[in-house]
Order: sequence, then C-alpha cells, then structure tokens
Amino acid sequence: AQKITQTQPGMFVQEKEAVTLDCTYDTSDQSYGLFWYKQPSSGEMIFLIYQGSYDEQNATEGRYSLNFQKARKSANLVISASQLGDSAMYFCAMREENTGNQFYFGTGTSLTVIP
Amino acid sequence: NAGVTQTPKFQVLKTGQSMTLQCAQDMNHEYMSWYRQDPGMGLRLIHYSVGAGITDQGEVPNGYNVSRSTTEDFPLRLLSAAPSQTSVYFCASSYGSGLSEAFFGQGTRLTVV
Repeated sequence: AQKITQTQPGMFVQEKEAVTLDCTYDTSDQSYGLFWYKQPSSGEMIFLIYQGSYDEQNATEGRYSLNFQKARKSANLVISASQLGDSAMYFCAMREENTGNQFYFGTGTSLTVIP
Repeated sequence: NAGVTQTPKFQVLKTGQSMTLQCAQDMNHEYMSWYRQDPGMGLRLIHYSVGAGITDQGEVPNGYNVSRSTTEDFPLRLLSAAPSQTSVYFCASSYGSGLSEAFFGQGTRLTVV
C-alpha cells in the first residue's frame, strides 16, 4: 500500500484565492511526522511546513497551514492568498519514528496560479 | 552556510559508463539518503544511511552502490549506467532521531544515452 497518496496531479487557483492540496497517509506507527515541500521549476526542494502526530493544533507557517485530521489520516496543505510565485510542484511526505526513520513521498501535485 | 552540496548539477553518460554523484553536508546530520525523481512518480528512495559505516537499501537500489565512510559524505555510484537511470537525483540529510525535516541538495540531472 502507498504510504502517501496525493490524488490531485494538477490544480489551478486564481491569484489571491485559497487552495487546498490533498494528502492522505498510511501508517501504524503512533509517532510520525508529516511534511510538505515545494519544488519550483528551478528544481530545488523547499521545506514548507511540519506536523507531528502528537501535535493537537494544526501547523501554520505564514500563508501555509496544514489541515491535520488524524482519524482520517489526512494532512492537507492550505495555501491562503495565492501568489504567482506559488506555482510549483508540491510534495507531501511522512517520516515514521519507529520504523527506520525513512521519508516517504507522494507523487506530487502541480499547482498553477492564474493571474 | 552550505547545507547539502551535491555535484555535479548536470551529467550525460553513455550506456555502460560508471560515475559517482557526490553529496556532502555540513550540519552533522546522521541520516543521509539518495532519491531519484521521475515524472509522475514522486521521489523514490534508492539508498540511505543512518550513520558512518551504516547503509541500507531503499525502494529502488538496483544498479546503485553507496558507502558512508564519514558523517559528512554520502556518494552514490552508478556501476554501469543504463538509459533507465536517466532521472533527477537528490541527496538529502536530516537528524537521525526525532522527526526533523530533510534538507535537500540542488539535484543532479542525469541523462544516459
């Protein structure tokens, strides 16, 4: 089974609107972390936001927030007030503390912000 | 603050040639890993290491070798390049314990002809 599933290959959003990128995960570990990375067309991987499995509050970093629903095993990224520079690939990832500490990545969502 | 330094940035190989992708980090991270990125497949783990002298296979290890003689360096060797190894390769490092984020190198775009 896939550890991380991103079901939206491509998304479009109007500039200044909010957008939600979906991510579901699969783990039996009680302690894990969820991450979102941005990959612009230049190719580098940029860390955006982190949510720990024991964190009770949703993580926020500026215009990024993570909608964490533990029972549903979902960790959606919300980008508010989209900007043209948000156009990029977005990857959801998970790290399990008790099973090798590996990172598992989803297949990514390509976001295009329309002026 | 160099972070993770990955070289080269671009490389073209002929089928059957060998080469080494270099990766170095200056953050004293225990955990280092290599991924390949192919369209529509996300990042797939090739090999990883949890400390000097310790390496293990990831999801797609065939055709690649690694070693970790120091904390800082984690080179990836292609033994006999094949067109199927045409990809973008990323090295990443992180703290070995806890759930800290991974720091990535700039990537290597490898083409095997």
